[in-house]
Amino acid sequence: DTAVSQTPKYLVTQMGNDKSIKCEQNLGHDTMYWYKQDSKKFLKIMFSYNNKELIINETVPNRFSPKSPDKAHLNLHINSLELGDSAVYFCASSPPIFKNIQYFGAGTRLSVL
Amino acid sequence: SQQGEEDPQALSIQEGENATMNCSYKTSINNLQWYRQNSGRGLVHLILIRSNEREKHSGRLRVTLDTSKKSSSLLITASRAADTASYFCATVRETSGSRLTFGEGTQLTVNP
Repeated sequence: DTAVSQTPKYLVTQMGNDKSIKCEQNLGHDTMYWYKQDSKKFLKIMFSYNNKELIINETVPNRFSPKSPDKAHLNLHINSLELGDSAVYFCASSPPIFKNIQYFGAGTRLSVL
Repeated sequence: SQQGEEDPQALSIQEGENATMNCSYKTSINNLQWYRQNSGRGLVHLILIRSNEREKHSGRLRVTLDTSKKSSSLLITASRAADTASYFCATVRETSGSRLTFGEGTQLTVNP
């Protein structure tokens, strides 16, 4: 029943590893987002896709690569993980009409050791 | 660059009291929104106020917007322990499409 679901909820890994976070929404929304929330709770947008097309690509290291196989899914792959990548990553989606209102997943807490 | 700044950073009140949080931003906006984040959870949209609106109500929430001062406030009346959370303002700039720019958040603690 969860509207925007992310997996895994927790991810602990070593520096240098590659990891993926998956996101799925069952709301029928066209637009999906990835945000990074740092330890001070500051939330910053990373990427946005509209109908599988990349529309926002902030200044994010190219070790981060989003992939949208269809409009209900937006996955985030991270290569060569670094200590500074430790954060909570949130997926969100927004409807076609009320694009400005976003619905968030519960977050994935990534810890890089 | 970061759009919004919120104050206070932290607010602790007793149940039944009112809580007021403020948000300031830097550029012209299309609308401003408030979100709540419970500990360990995602953000939940609370209310949206458009740039041509000055005040909006939703249940125990009252939001004001002063575009001349580039500021907004969120008032929660008759607070409850369940209101304990972080509250974020987020702005949509006139030219940014659907992009939300978040403030730093206010941590509200309501003591029973």
